[in-house]
Amino acid sequence: DQQVKQNSPSLSVQEGRISILNCDYTNSMFDYFLWYKKYPAEGPTFLISISSIKDKNEDGRFTVFLNKSAKHLSLHIVPSQPGDSAVYFCAAAVASGTYKYIFGTGTRLKVLA
Amino acid sequence: DVKVTQSSRYLVKRTGEKVFLECVQDMDHENMFWYRQDPGLGLRLIYFSYDVKMKEKGDIPEGYSVSREKKERFSLILESASTNQTSMYLCASSPHLGGESGANVLTFGAGSRLTVL
Repeated sequence: DQQVKQNSPSLSVQEGRISILNCDYTNSMFDYFLWYKKYPAEGPTFLISISSIKDKNEDGRFTVFLNKSAKHLSLHIVPSQPGDSAVYFCAAAVASGTYKYIFGTGTRLKVLA
Repeated sequence: DVKVTQSSRYLVKRTGEKVFLECVQDMDHENMFWYRQDPGLGLRLIYFSYDVKMKEKGDIPEGYSVSREKKERFSLILESASTNQTSMYLCASSPHLGGESGANVLTFGAGSRLTVL
């Protein structure tokens, strides 16, 4: 049973436009969420996080929104740049729990110049 | 900067061989993790360790074992490699508590791509 789902395997966006990557989760105990970016042949790098006490967190061009009632989070990238082309993973955990992060299957973003 | 170093970027092994994947972190983190990444399956947790000599099974521990004799080093062992263990293996570390919520941000190594023939 996939507790964290990224239903879009891929997404193409024009440079300068907004990229929206979505993530759904089923476990209502999750209260901490992270987004990672991964380039080929490299390890994932941390992008941004959000805890369940917030519904929005911003860091430069990246904003994460959390809708707890819908068990849904999204990552917005504005404006999108060609260097943003990568695979994006969302991950969820119970903050006071067992240190186990559950990752989604990833969305491959391609930003077209 | 937190650094997680995986000793081998690319390995090719034969079925039945014993394989060691080594991971070292230099930030005194308590937690260390081994994931594998496969297309369409995302990152799946194999084992993790929250202290020296402590280990916990993740979601897919079958066919793997781990060793953590020192805080900075976490090894993944494939006792008898099989072709279905061909994958990208990712090591990560984190402090016990961090961030505003008390949860942990994982820092990953560059990965070890293992091919089992």
